[in-house]
Amino acid sequence: QLQLQESGPGLVKPSENLSLTCAVSGGSVRGGTYYWGWIRQPPGKGLEWIGSLYYSGSIFHNPSLKSRVTISVDTSKNQFSLKLNSVTAADTAVYYCARHSMVGANFDYWGLGTLVTVSS
Amino acid sequence: QSALTQPPSASGSPGQSVTISCTGTSSDVGSYDYVSWYQHHPGTAPKLIIYEVTQRPSGVPDRFSGSKSGNTASLTVSGLQAEDEADYYCSSYAGRIQVVFGGGTKLTVL
Repeated sequence: QLQLQESGPGLVKPSENLSLTCAVSGGSVRGGTYYWGWIRQPPGKGLEWIGSLYYSGSIFHNPSLKSRVTISVDTSKNQFSLKLNSVTAADTAVYYCARHSMVGANFDYWGLGTLVTVSS
Repeated sequence: QSALTQPPSASGSPGQSVTISCTGTSSDVGSYDYVSWYQHHPGTAPKLIIYEVTQRPSGVPDRFSGSKSGNTASLTVSGLQAEDEADYYCSSYAGRIQVVFGGGTKLTVL
């Protein structure tokens, strides 16, 4: 059974960078017909897709966040990462990592999510 | 890329049916048969319950069904059960590996 687990600091100061990692177990980030993505949910709000990548390096971002987002993959550790620059309080959210199909972009496996609070 | 529009809340009594709408644009919902629905109980991982507008993953009860007309997709939950009380989100492929989600609907089983 594929499992995804987010990890990273739960508290980030304004203007600093947010860094999260998603460890994948029970399957490989390499190959297949899947992308690996990040989604977030601010408190009391809906889900927002941040971006996705394919293990070979193709990366796709939400245009509203593109200039601040870096998504990367480490196939040797079977994990992928998110870096969000220059955070503000508006970036406070539960951050999820998930796998989605190449065709149709349906997210079939999700992590439990990790709350990141931006505060001084 | 704007969020898909969902009603903030919906409700029904056990055994009844409820339908949740998800309205997008001709650039997302209206252009692709790639609408998904997720069930989310707070504190847990969201669960895919419908993909490609009408398809159910293995293990999802057939009480959950999806449809689409124009720029609006719908999720119908038939024979409501207490465990169906959750937040429901739609998403749509929006071209060039872009994904847009809805704002979510809180379903209450009365």
